[in-house]
Amino acid sequence: GDSVTQMEGPVTLSEEAFLTINCTYTATGYPSLFWYVQYPGEGLQLLLKATKADDKGSNKGFEATYRKETTSFHLEKGSVQVSDSAVYFCALSERGGTSYGKLTFGQGTILTVHP
Amino acid sequence: ETGVTQSPTHLIKTRGQQVTLRCSSQSGHNTVSWYQQALGQGPQFIFQYYREEENGRGNFPPRFSGLQFPNYSSELNVNALELDDSALYLCASSPARQTGQETQYFGPGTRLLVL
Repeated sequence: GDSVTQMEGPVTLSEEAFLTINCTYTATGYPSLFWYVQYPGEGLQLLLKATKADDKGSNKGFEATYRKETTSFHLEKGSVQVSDSAVYFCALSERGGTSYGKLTFGQGTILTVHP
Repeated sequence: ETGVTQSPTHLIKTRGQQVTLRCSSQSGHNTVSWYQQALGQGPQFIFQYYREEENGRGNFPPRFSGLQFPNYSSELNVNALELDDSALYLCASSPARQTGQETQYFGPGTRLLVL
């Protein structure tokens, strides 16, 4: 079945540091890939997405590139802020599956940014 | 445009009781999915509703059931509550299938505590 693996966490950085959160996936077809963010006590917010190989999703300074050859979708940001502190989830959805857009999530990575 | 809303925000029940959680989908969205997020984990797919019928189900027992109404809102019902049912329950809606947009948008969740 489909699966998503995120890097072991948590991640602690100083403000303005470079961020990378690794994500790899296993899927039978050609999934769409997503990053969602969850702030304390809240639901999930879509951060960015990519729907085909070599697509780059970007939003609020975050970027991720769909790499089919390495089955990866790593999240990066050049300069993190304290307000980026949250839990980040990598997810995939298979096209053409029984459940339209059903998401399979990784375990999440806790990011803490210190001033 | 109104986003996905869920009610109640918090709920405390005792083992063996039944609970109903509610979700209103985002305007223009006709597909609703439910997820369970245990503490410290990624969300797990429970089931999806489309055109008032269940359209795919994850690895959850039959005591988890749902409904979708003509206005696309949805309910999640859980019978015979167990301690392990304590979690954040997330509802997500997605646009009409003919748009080809499978991205899911999440509500803030209902936090259920079973004692």
